[in-house]
Amino acid sequence: QVQLVQSGAEVKKPGASVKVSCKASGYSFSNYYMHWVRQAPGQGLEWMGIINPSGDSTSYTQKFWGRVTMTRDTSTGTVYMELSSLRSEDTAVYYCAREGTAGESYFDYWGQGTLVTVSS
Amino acid sequence: QSVLTQPPSVSAAPGQILTISCSGSSSNIGKNYVSWYQHLPGRAPKLLIYDNNRRPSGIPDRFSGSKSGTSAALGITGLQTGDEADYYCGTWDTSLSVVVFGGGTKVTVL
Repeated sequence: QVQLVQSGAEVKKPGASVKVSCKASGYSFSNYYMHWVRQAPGQGLEWMGIINPSGDSTSYTQKFWGRVTMTRDTSTGTVYMELSSLRSEDTAVYYCAREGTAGESYFDYWGQGTLVTVSS
Repeated sequence: QSVLTQPPSVSAAPGQILTISCSGSSSNIGKNYVSWYQHLPGRAPKLLIYDNNRRPSGIPDRFSGSKSGTSAALGITGLQTGDEADYYCGTWDTSLSVVVFGGGTKVTVL
């Protein structure tokens, strides 16, 4: 069965970086786009960006330009999301999600979420 | 402030029918498919509806989706206590070139 297993919770200081991993299994990893979505405390879902199946193309929402990098390792079936220059407003649960059909922006499988806390 | 507008909360009694609305614009719902997610606290969101009205395997037919113009709706029939959760609509916004979500609707089963 399809599984997306994310790395554990992180506590970071303002200005630091965090790298969250998402290991996929149960399907052909190289055939699917992957997205990252976050949810701040008491807030709704916020889309961060997408990485294509081969990992050579990404697109990020403008809010995170210059601070976010999404990568993927086909050999291990893992995608990564690195967010730099962290501020308190980046405290959130970060989810990886698989795009259900190429070119359609719906997510049929999600990781369990990784809580990132930014605090001095 | 979310691009898509959902009511913050809705409630109904067990067994009743409940509808959640999602309002957008010509650049998002008006042009693209809508999906719906159920989100329980501490859990990963779960896809309920995609392509406006299609259900993934394993999702009961108590859940249905519809779209008309720049609005969409999620219907839940035979409401159960286990349906208490936050529900989100989502779609692509062609003008912004981003995925957009509604602000979420908290469903309470009375």
